[in-house]
Amino acid sequence: AQSVTQPDIHITVSEGASLELRCNYSYGATPYLFWYVQSPGQGLQLLLKYFSGDTLVQGIKGFEAEFKRSQSSFNLRKPSVHWSDAAEYFCAVGAPGGTASKLTFGTGTRLQVTL
Amino acid sequence: GAVVSQHPSWVICKSGTSVKIECRSLDFQATTMFWYRQFPKQSLMLMATSNEGSKATYEQGVEKDKFLINHASLTLSTLTVTSAHPEDSSFYICRGTSTGKSANYGYTFGSGTRLTVV
Repeated sequence: AQSVTQPDIHITVSEGASLELRCNYSYGATPYLFWYVQSPGQGLQLLLKYFSGDTLVQGIKGFEAEFKRSQSSFNLRKPSVHWSDAAEYFCAVGAPGGTASKLTFGTGTRLQVTL
Repeated sequence: GAVVSQHPSWVICKSGTSVKIECRSLDFQATTMFWYRQFPKQSLMLMATSNEGSKATYEQGVEKDKFLINHASLTLSTLTVTSAHPEDSSFYICRGTSTGKSANYGYTFGSGTRLTVV
């Protein structure tokens, strides 16, 4: 069974500082990997996804993530955080090969940005 | 592309009544719709998977008679919470996918519905 671990429940960073959110997955092969962001009371917005190929994936809002097979990780990064980035971030894993696969989500990391 | 419209955004209902939530794919044909539930400060948990024209497949622990899913067309899927109780209060969100399309049509979600049962 596939699973996702986000070890950090809550992270606080200063505006302008760099950010890295951790995500580790468990899957028998290379899965599809995703990062979503959720603002309070809102739906999910897809930040980026990894299917195959280049292990460094660029997303929206200046985010990027790096797939590391040896570490079963897919960490999200941003070089300079803005106050508007404060939200809940979810990492998710899905079976490769099609769009109709179930997604399994991590427990989320709440990002707080201080001014 | 791959826009899923979900309504209502929020709903308050009395205990014992039923509530219907709609998810529409606006620019693609959603052959499959996934329904998730998210309790406050928790992650998203898959409730059920529905394929157009077929009965939905429910995850373990989800009562199929309580959470009725209809996916009669390629652009509309509905989730009805029957005889709602306060413990059903949650955030419900859908995700539509389309077989035969690129993966870009598979990973966007509706905007979610906040259900409060009083």
